[in-house]
Amino acid sequence: DAGVTQSPTHLIKTRGQQVTLRCSPKSGHDTVSWYQQALGQGPQFIFQYYEEEERQRGNFPDRFSGHQFPNYSSELNVNALLLGDSALYLCASSTRGQETQYFGPGTRLLVL
Amino acid sequence: AQSVTQPDIHITVSEGASLELRCNYSYGATPYLFWYVQSPGQGLQLLLKYFSGDTLVQGIKGFEAEFKRSQSSFNLRKPSVHWSDAAEYFCAVDGHSGGNNRKLIWGLGTSLAVNP
Repeated sequence: DAGVTQSPTHLIKTRGQQVTLRCSPKSGHDTVSWYQQALGQGPQFIFQYYEEEERQRGNFPDRFSGHQFPNYSSELNVNALLLGDSALYLCASSTRGQETQYFGPGTRLLVL
Repeated sequence: AQSVTQPDIHITVSEGASLELRCNYSYGATPYLFWYVQSPGQGLQLLLKYFSGDTLVQGIKGFEAEFKRSQSSFNLRKPSVHWSDAAEYFCAVDGHSGGNNRKLIWGLGTSLAVNP
């Protein structure tokens, strides 16, 4: 049973560029959440998707957007990248209404 | 607003010694509480969770945690630490807004080093 997978594992971009990160949830899960973890910090909630809709959102600007596909996989898009967007981006999946989230290995984004 | 405090940024213990990592939370209702572990360059692995019932919960890798409502705490313990336990440990609270929406509020983490 595959767990949560994310791609790519690492990514280097320059300021102003756009990036797309991908996540496939654990088998049987229908909800995907995205978190940003800056170096030395705890994760910060970005948003959560269920039934292809954004259900709740953390304190992140509109430059951060997402999408969920019918197979429950998800993308995180960040536009107009800033140096401060450099972080580990974590995807977590769960079953709707269930409290436990399972995390992927993350995508490490470096913005130069 | 919900918040999680992990007072210890860094802890060093000797292999075989006991361990306690502290976690305090602020939440207006009955919380759902979690401990996750993160090894260098890795994602987050769930160690244990508390939703209700018995306040002492057992997790993987020999970890346990005790929920104390009066102290708003959920401290993680292990009786004998192994070198492989060296990692970053995060406490998290489910700050759900009601219904089925779920999001985790995280502490800043405690970095654990283990001396041989």
